[in-house]
Amino acid sequence: SAVISQKPSRDICQRGTSLTIQCQVDSQVTMMFWYRQQPGQSLTLIATANQGSEATYESGFVIDKFPISRPNLTFSTLTVSNMSPEDSSIYLCSVDSGHAEQYFGPGTRLTVT
Amino acid sequence: AQSVSQHNHHVILSEAASLELGCNYSYGGTVNLFWYVQYPGQHLQLLLKYFSGDPLVKGIKGFEAEFIKSKFSFNLRKPSVQWSDTAEYFCAVNPYGQNFVFGPGTRLSVLP
Repeated sequence: SAVISQKPSRDICQRGTSLTIQCQVDSQVTMMFWYRQQPGQSLTLIATANQGSEATYESGFVIDKFPISRPNLTFSTLTVSNMSPEDSSIYLCSVDSGHAEQYFGPGTRLTVT
Repeated sequence: AQSVSQHNHHVILSEAASLELGCNYSYGGTVNLFWYVQYPGQHLQLLLKYFSGDPLVKGIKGFEAEFIKSKFSFNLRKPSVQWSDTAEYFCAVNPYGQNFVFGPGTRLSVLP
């Protein structure tokens, strides 16, 4: 299985600012995913990030709010832009193992004040 | 709308009790099925998965799940729970060619 790390692990930010979350994988993977897990709720897919192409966003999520970069096969970033308290959540990076399984990073706990 | 449902929001059991967590989905085509577990303060881990073949699949830590196609269900079971099984359990469905969809989760509390 892939080992995934995320930075930062947690942050407290002021409304109106932006935060970039990094996701690093210990092996090359084609597909990476960004999820949001709001307090007490399940995981919601934000977007799929493939290297060399634009990210594909799910309904309700837009590139201006959640820009994503995928510069190579082991790294991706998600930016949460112009934050509001409603963006307080855990943001999770995951990767496809190549065997139709997904492995998850430890998450970034974001609190917006 | 296509969805994944889990029967219970919060389950409380005593140690050694048997566990069954329900999961149903509404996708009509071919699906891969998963159960993930999130222990307190830890990240999501894969517990078990079903792709094809024997509908009864065994996972880590004594967990198993049964795929019943006619009922669109993939229930998770464990004969005897331990205090260390206290966690949040998520059922996930991966319809063929589509992204993962997660259920709302079931919080399991095991009393020592």
